[in-house]
Amino acid sequence: DAGVIQSPRHEVTEMGQEVTLRCKPISGHDYLFWYRQTMMRGLELLIYFNNNVPIDDSGMPEDRFSAKMPNASFSTLKIQPSEPRDSAVYFCASSLAEWTTGGYNEQFFGPGTRLTVL
Amino acid sequence: ELKVEQNPLFLSMQEGKNYTIYCNYSTTSDRLYWYRQDPGKSLESLFVLLSNGAVKQEGRLMASLDTKARLSTLHITAAVHDLSATYFCAVLNRDDKIIFGKGTRLHILP
Repeated sequence: DAGVIQSPRHEVTEMGQEVTLRCKPISGHDYLFWYRQTMMRGLELLIYFNNNVPIDDSGMPEDRFSAKMPNASFSTLKIQPSEPRDSAVYFCASSLAEWTTGGYNEQFFGPGTRLTVL
Repeated sequence: ELKVEQNPLFLSMQEGKNYTIYCNYSTTSDRLYWYRQDPGKSLESLFVLLSNGAVKQEGRLMASLDTKARLSTLHITAAVHDLSATYFCAVLNRDDKIIFGKGTRLHILP
């Protein structure tokens, strides 16, 4: 398996522009997660999906951020309008459900998208 | 609210030495994860610990879990330079969210 695939790997944009990040999870995984990592705030969970349904979006910083998962093999994270403080590395991760004990197994992370908003 | 604390946050050590990274968490959980992140890279899963007393080992790394003490340790034996990385512990909370610690940046001097 190719692992979790993210695109683009790097994105440089100007303040006010719309940014769309893309993720393809590992085939067969039930869960998909979006994280943001910065030096100041560490690794933050933004939103996660189970079987394409958003379960918890309490980590989404504000209305400028939105995420969708139209099918089991694709998800997007959109920022509109973007601001310099959104500059970070955004990771997508996927995981298999743990049917015997509930929850999910370890997460497999994609390579990340490094976003720079000027 | 579940809080996950790692210590130390930074560690510089000599090759060949042993050391332990600690991960404390504030509320009951039955699942703990350890991840490794190399500079500029993604996170890689190292261990999943599911029960009290669980111990897992991979090469020079050994992780253990004490759910009563709400403590996990990651022990490094005879460190080598290739183990230099940031190590994260993460804990599954009751709402099925994984909460990450701030990470321990490990630098092993040759």
